[in-house]
Amino acid sequence: KAGVTQTPRYLIKTRGQQVTLSCSPISGHRSVSWYQQTPGQGLQFLFEYFSETQRNKGNFPGRFSGRQFSNSRSEMNVSTLELGDSALYLCASSLASSGFDGYTFGSGTRLTVV
Amino acid sequence: AQKVTQAQTEISVVEKEDVTLDCVYETRDTTYYLFWYKQPPSGELVFLIRRNSFDEQNEISGRYSWNFQKSTSSFNFTITASQVVDSAVYFCALSEVGGGGADGLTFGKGTHLIIQP
Repeated sequence: KAGVTQTPRYLIKTRGQQVTLSCSPISGHRSVSWYQQTPGQGLQFLFEYFSETQRNKGNFPGRFSGRQFSNSRSEMNVSTLELGDSALYLCASSLASSGFDGYTFGSGTRLTVV
Repeated sequence: AQKVTQAQTEISVVEKEDVTLDCVYETRDTTYYLFWYKQPPSGELVFLIRRNSFDEQNEISGRYSWNFQKSTSSFNFTITASQVVDSAVYFCALSEVGGGGADGLTFGKGTHLIIQP
């Protein structure tokens, strides 16, 4: 079966712009979680969506938002980009909420803010 | 709040040596899940194992084995007869059930494993 698909793979944006990242989960998976990975902070939880509802949210400013569609695909948006937002953004899907059945990760979107 | 510590930032061994990656966790929940993931240079996190807090049985999968000890809050990962393809960054992670997974997965900082030919 197809894995978790994240698009685009690479992105370069200018400070102050906004960006939207996309994640298509494994077919049948209803939970999508987003993580930010940076060299300094490591892997940090952003938020989780299950059946189009945000279930959990990590400790990130309001500039980071997301949504999930009825087909479970999810988008993540970052507004007013800052240099510190440069990171690898990883999406994970799972059958159940909070991923207790296990998370499958995509290859990520590498965002560079200049 | 939960915390995962991987004290070894980088480990370098010669191929065919055995290597153990340490993971120590902190949680106030009695029910939780522990995970190990592998991240090759391509960036994707590859799932290796999930263990719940009530199952302290050690597990072996081929050259991989895991030692879970609640008494010391550790969940260590051993690769036997390492191979160059094992080179990657390995992450240990924790998910609390009692909090409904409210904080998602909490990851350690990762251990960069280098297997030299």
